[in-house]
Amino acid sequence: GQSLEQPSEVTAVEGAIVQINCTYQTSGFYGLSWYQQHDGGAPTFLSYNALDGLEETGRFSSFLSRSDSYGYLLLQELQMKDSASYFCAVSTRDDKIIFGKGTRLHILP
Amino acid sequence: GAVVSQHPSWVICKSGTSVKIECRSLDFQATTMFWYRQFPKQSLMLMATSNEGSKATYEQGVEKDKFLINHASLTLSTLTVTSAHPEDSSFYICSADTTTGGRVETQYFGPGTRLLVL
Repeated sequence: GQSLEQPSEVTAVEGAIVQINCTYQTSGFYGLSWYQQHDGGAPTFLSYNALDGLEETGRFSSFLSRSDSYGYLLLQELQMKDSASYFCAVSTRDDKIIFGKGTRLHILP
Repeated sequence: GAVVSQHPSWVICKSGTSVKIECRSLDFQATTMFWYRQFPKQSLMLMATSNEGSKATYEQGVEKDKFLINHASLTLSTLTVTSAHPEDSSFYICSADTTTGGRVETQYFGPGTRLLVL
C-alpha cells in the first residue's frame, strides 16, 4: 500500500525558518512533490524532487533521500502569507499522485 | 503557463439531483485529466484518471456509476455526480497533464468546485 506521514500542524514565527518533514512508504516511487493550499483554494505546485538532494526555488527548498524514503520542505524568511496547508505527494510509476494528509503551518507575528 | 479552469466554482443542490462539473485546459491539450475529492481539513484523494476518448480508471472505493466521467476532447473532462446526497458534499478538484507521462511536474490543478448537497 501507499502511505505518507507528515506532521499535522507546525507553528513558527514570522521571519524564521521552518522545516516540514515527510516520510513515505510506497511501491513504484518516482518522485516527491510539495503543494501549498490556502483555505478555500486549490493546491499550488511548489517543488518536485526525483533525485536525492536539495532543490531550491526562492525562499522554498525541498530535499529528498530516496534511501531513507524521506523528504522535507524548507521555508525561509517566513511571511504571514505563508500560512497555509502544505502537502507532500508521491508520484508513482503508474502515473498517479498520492497526497499526504497535509501540514497546517501557523505563523505568528 | 498552463491554465485549468473548472465550472462551476460553487454549486448547491438538493439531495437526489445530479450535478455536472466541467474541467477545461485553456491553453494546452490534456491527454490525461485527474479528478480529486477533498473533505474539509483532509487530504486530496484521487478519484479517477481520465484519458481522452477512453473510459476513466477509477480508484478503489469510488463508485463509477455514481461519479460519471467523460473526457470527450483534449481540453474538456466532465464529472457528473449522479443522485447526489449530503455525504457527497466536498471540494472537487481536477488536474490536467500537459504530457502523456502523467508526471507531477507537468500537472496543473484547476481552482476546484465546492459542492454542497442539502
